[in-house]
Parts: sequence; structure tokens; C-alpha cells
Amino acid sequence: DTGVSQDPRHKITKRGQNVTFRCDPISEHNRLYWYRQTLGQGPEFLTYFQNEAQLEKSRLLSDRFSAERPKGSFSTLEIQRTEQGDSAMYLCASSLGGGGLNEKLFFGSGTQLSVL
Amino acid sequence: KQEVTQIPAALSVPEGENLVLNCSFTDSAIYNLQWFRQDPGKGLTSLLLIQSSQREQTSGRLNASLDKSSGRSTLYIAASQPGDSATYLCAPYNFNKFYFGSGTKLNVKP
Repeated sequence: DTGVSQDPRHKITKRGQNVTFRCDPISEHNRLYWYRQTLGQGPEFLTYFQNEAQLEKSRLLSDRFSAERPKGSFSTLEIQRTEQGDSAMYLCASSLGGGGLNEKLFFGSGTQLSVL
Repeated sequence: KQEVTQIPAALSVPEGENLVLNCSFTDSAIYNLQWFRQDPGKGLTSLLLIQSSQREQTSGRLNASLDKSSGRSTLYIAASQPGDSATYLCAPYNFNKFYFGSGTKLNVKP
């Protein structure tokens, strides 16, 4: 159990470029979440997967955002045509799911995105 | 939509004090509630998870209580230490996701 891994840790990009982040959850964790956090605020829900199925997307997730979790393992979050307002920490989290203590959430260290 | 409020937003105390962090949420139909700790520039670490059927949960110097009907939870930290300095966030769970408050930023002075 190596924890939740996110790559890269930091990403600096120019406005209009596309970026992709990767998250490797704890193995055997069925649920995977993406959150976004800006300075001084708590994380905001973006989307979550149950195995490979994306079950919910927040209204915060515009058409420029897409997330995948092929084969129910790692996940990617892509942002197309980045805007300065996309600058934030993008956090990935995973859990076993299924209720009770299995809902305990484990977070990665996040990817800090800066759009210039 | 679940709204979460944490009071106070910031707290500075001398080492050794006992302290209480407060969390309130608007929708009481939650399945559980977690308290997290976040160090600057880092991800979140789960401290305690209280299931909806429980009233409190303890881990070391931390004790979290839950009053679901009134939409409140508290995190009690005993004998605070400088290493406890961090932001503490509560997150009730319903509608298949965790909702976060803005946190309480704690500074424990040596």
C-alpha cells in the first residue's frame, strides 16, 4: 500500500494549452474522486468514479474538462484550452467504497496548476 | 446542496492548551463525517471518521463528536503541540461525495 500518487506535483502552462494529470489510487480501491482546491478554500468536488464508471460530474466541470479511469485503475484529468481561472490544486482521493469505514478517504499530494 | 461552515477560521494558542474546533452542516442526512488535516501545499490526511450511528470517535489526543440532528460536529484536541499546526477540515458525506468547509487554520506556539 503506497498511498495515492499524483503526477506531476507542479504544472506551469500558458493559457490555451492542454494539460493532463494522472492519479494512481490505492490498489483495490473502487472509488476515485477528483477535487479542486484554491487558496484558503476547502476542496470542491469535481467528479467521481466507481471502478471504471464515471458516476457524477459537478457543474464546475465545464466541457473543457474530461476525466477517465480505464479498467478501473489509474485516472487522468485533462483540461483543454486552459484559462487563468483553472489555476488551483487538483486533488485525487480514493476509498474502498461500500459504506461504513470503507468510505475513509485517502488523498494524494495534489497537482498544483499555474496558468500564465 | 450541503453547505459546511467551520468556526473559527483561524486560531492561535500556546502549546499545551486544549482546544475545540467547530463544524456545522446544513443537511443532516449524512452517512458519515470525516475530519482531515492539511499541511501547507500538501494533500489531506484523514484523522477520524465518525459513522452516522456513532456519537464520537477517538484517536490519541483527538476526539470528534457528531450531533447529526443538529448538523454539528466538533474536534477536540488535547494538550496541543506545535506539530499540530495545520489546517483542519471537516467533511460530511452524503449524495456520494464529501463536502468540505474552508477549514480552521491552527497555529500552536511553542
